[in-house]
Amino acid sequence: DAGVTQSPTHLIKTRGQQVTLRCSPKSGHDTVSWYQQALGQGPQFIFQYYEEEERQRGNFPDRFSGHQFPNYSSELNVNALLLGDSALYLCASSPMGQLRNEQFFGPGTRLTVL
Amino acid sequence: AQSVAQPEDQVNVAEGNPLTVKCTYSVSGNPYLFWYVQYPNRGLQFLLKYITGDNLVKGSYGFEAEFNKSQTSFHLKKPSALVSDSALYFCAVRDPYNQGGKLIFGQGTELSVKP
Repeated sequence: DAGVTQSPTHLIKTRGQQVTLRCSPKSGHDTVSWYQQALGQGPQFIFQYYEEEERQRGNFPDRFSGHQFPNYSSELNVNALLLGDSALYLCASSPMGQLRNEQFFGPGTRLTVL
Repeated sequence: AQSVAQPEDQVNVAEGNPLTVKCTYSVSGNPYLFWYVQYPNRGLQFLLKYITGDNLVKGSYGFEAEFNKSQTSFHLKKPSALVSDSALYFCAVRDPYNQGGKLIFGQGTELSVKP
């Protein structure tokens, strides 16, 4: 079992650019959540996808958008990048509806905005 | 609003001594509580969770946590610390009745275990 995988590992962008991060969930999981972890802070929930729809959203602007594909993999898109978007972006997967279960996290994508 | 607090930014322990990493939460109703560990440049690894039942839960790598509803706490403990336990620890809460699958994390506590 490959677990949750994310790509790329690292990414460097400049202000105003757009970025796409990718996530493949753990085998058997159909729900994907995205978190932003700024340096020295805990992860902050961005949004959650299930059945190719955004089901829940945290306090992030519309510049942050996502997509889920039929194979349950997901993308996080960030437009008009700001310096403050520099962070570790974590993807987590879980089986839908099983709120008692823990989420499994990927290794993250480190985004640096210059 | 739901929240999690980890009052200590850093905890220092000598190898072989017991360790405690503190966590308090504010959630209406009965929360689901989790502990995760993060090693440098890595994602989060699940340690243990409290859903219901026995207030003392056991998890991976010899860690355990005690749920205290009256004090709204969920402290992480280990009887004998190892140098390899040095990492960043996060407490998280899920309010299944109001917040669905969303996990709310504390700010993290850096654990340093010295030989």
